[in-house]
Amino acid sequence: DAGVIQSPRHEVTEMGQEVTLRCKPISGHDYLFWYRQTMMRGLELLIYFNNNVPIDDSGMPEDRFSAKMPNASFSTLKIQPSEPRDSAVYFCASQPIGGPNTEAFFGQGTRLTVV
Amino acid sequence: DAKTTQPNSMESNEEEPVHLPCNHSTISGTDYIHWYRQLPSQGPEYVIHGLTSNVNNRMASLAIAEDRKSSTLILHRATLRDAAVYYCILRDRTIGNTGKLIFGQGTTLQVKP
Repeated sequence: DAGVIQSPRHEVTEMGQEVTLRCKPISGHDYLFWYRQTMMRGLELLIYFNNNVPIDDSGMPEDRFSAKMPNASFSTLKIQPSEPRDSAVYFCASQPIGGPNTEAFFGQGTRLTVV
Repeated sequence: DAKTTQPNSMESNEEEPVHLPCNHSTISGTDYIHWYRQLPSQGPEYVIHGLTSNVNNRMASLAIAEDRKSSTLILHRATLRDAAVYYCILRDRTIGNTGKLIFGQGTTLQVKP
């Protein structure tokens, strides 16, 4: 398996524009997580899905952020409108069934810069 | 979620063993102890995890205190590639709980040649 695949790897956009980040989890994994990483706040869990259903979105910073998982092989994280403070590295991770007795696999991340 | 405490940074010499400590005094009986690391410009990667007994794998060893209030990640021979941020994380194994990964600040390990 190619692992968790995120696209794009880098994104530069202007303030106010819509940004969509994409993630393809490892085939057969039941859980999908979205994280954001900044120097100030470290790695923050934004939302996670189980079998394509959002389970906990308490980490989503505000209504400008939304995430979807239309099927088991694809998820998106959308920011609309984007702001400079959204600049960060966004990671997607997937995990097989087994919960805390299994390991999560992370993608390479998308570096977002909002100017 | 139960909290973990790690030193901000540590240094090691190449090819020497490294012991990375983690305190988790409020750990519950349902928490697994996980370690992840993040190499520069990479996503986090799994290192090892355990519940009560010490664990070994090809990357590292995990030593868990008898009272489970602390643990130590052991890299037997550090290489330059082991320079990374190491995160100690507790994951709840309560039935129905996915044990979501909540990252703290971790320990930045520097390895000197």
